[in-house]
Amino acid sequence: GDSVTQMEGPVTLSEEAFLTINCTYTATGYPSLFWYVQYPGEGLQLLLKATKADDKGSNKGFEATYRKETTSFHLEKGSVQVSDSAVYFCALSDRETSGSRLTFGEGTQLTVNP
Amino acid sequence: NAGVTQTPKFRVLKTGQSMTLLCAQDMNHEYMYWYRQDPGMGLRLIHYSVGEGTTAKGEVPDGYNVSRLKKQNFLLGLESAAPSQTSVYFCASSYVQGGQINQPQHFGDGTRLSIL
Repeated sequence: GDSVTQMEGPVTLSEEAFLTINCTYTATGYPSLFWYVQYPGEGLQLLLKATKADDKGSNKGFEATYRKETTSFHLEKGSVQVSDSAVYFCALSDRETSGSRLTFGEGTQLTVNP
Repeated sequence: NAGVTQTPKFRVLKTGQSMTLLCAQDMNHEYMYWYRQDPGMGLRLIHYSVGEGTTAKGEVPDGYNVSRLKKQNFLLGLESAAPSQTSVYFCASSYVQGGQINQPQHFGDGTRLSIL
């Protein structure tokens, strides 16, 4: 079945540091890939997405590239801010399954210190 | 723009009690979902619906039932609550655009449920 594996957390960085959160996946079909962010006490919000190989999703300074050869979708940001502190989830939606269901990774807690 | 609204936001139950969680969306989305979030396990799909009057099992359906009598509402029921069902529950919805699936899901703010 489909699965998503994220790097173990938590991750603690200083403001303006470079961020990478690793995400790899297995899927039987041709998935779309997503990064969601969850701020404290809130639901998940879509951060970015990519629907086919070599697509790059980007939003709010975050980027991720769909790498089919390495089955990866790593999240990066060049300079993090305190306001980026949140839990980040990598997810996939496989076109072979009904209902556009999402399979999530475990989530990575990011804390950015001033 | 309310988006996805979940009620209640918090609830404490005793083992064996029953309750219903309500999810309402005002975006005319076709698909709706119920997830549970537990520490270190991400979100796991409980049940989902691809349209009014239809429901299907997700990854962890045991102990839960759902109904989608109206397109905008998706109810999650616990008939006999157990401590293992202590969790944060999220509802989500998504649309089908021009026949294309895999559109992003929109989430509610969650219901924190404790079973004693």
